[in-house]
Amino acid sequence: AQSVTQLDSQVPVFEEAPVELRCNYSSSVSVYLFWYVQYPNQGLQLLLKYLSGSTLVKGINGFEAEFNKSQTSFHLRKPSVHISDTAEYFCAVSDRWIYNQGGKLIFGQGTELSVKP
Amino acid sequence: DAGVIQSPRHEVTEMGQEVTLRCKPISGHNSLFWYRQTMMRGLELLIYFNNNVPIDDSGMPEDRFSAKMPNASFSTLKIQPSEPRDSAVYFCASSNSLGDRGRRETQYFGPGTRLLVL
Repeated sequence: AQSVTQLDSQVPVFEEAPVELRCNYSSSVSVYLFWYVQYPNQGLQLLLKYLSGSTLVKGINGFEAEFNKSQTSFHLRKPSVHISDTAEYFCAVSDRWIYNQGGKLIFGQGTELSVKP
Repeated sequence: DAGVIQSPRHEVTEMGQEVTLRCKPISGHNSLFWYRQTMMRGLELLIYFNNNVPIDDSGMPEDRFSAKMPNASFSTLKIQPSEPRDSAVYFCASSNSLGDRGRRETQYFGPGTRLLVL
């Protein structure tokens, strides 16, 4: 079975500073990895995903994440954040076979990013 | 495309009442997911359907919860009787399979139904 740990429940940061949101996963099989963002009172929106290929994945809004198999991590980064990036961010994992058959995702507990002026 | 549509957006009910949440997936998507989000437990998958058939309902908390998908464009999640601990935001999401050897598309989430059971 897969599991996801988001190491920080809250990350406060000043505008234009870089940020890294950490995500570690546990799985005995090959996985797909995802980052979703949830703005207040909205549903989740996909930021980026790693399915295969390059371990550095670029997503929307200037975010990127790097898949590190040896460290079982998929940390999310942005070199310069904006006030509008304030939201909750969820890391998710799926067994590759299960994902292609039915699409089940296991989500982490979320990290609340708060960007201050 | 209108995206995933959920109704109602907000529901306040009293303990013991029946609650029905509705979801219309994106047209053409063949998988549908129901999630529950709470402060304590985060985002939990309750059940998901593939081609209208329930595939995994291991996340359904107890017999008070039931979900149906009578056709490709509609699903319901019912709680009967409801209890205060069911208060949460319930999300529906849908995605599309590109075939046995193909890759699955992203899950698209609806705006959620905020349920409060008094």
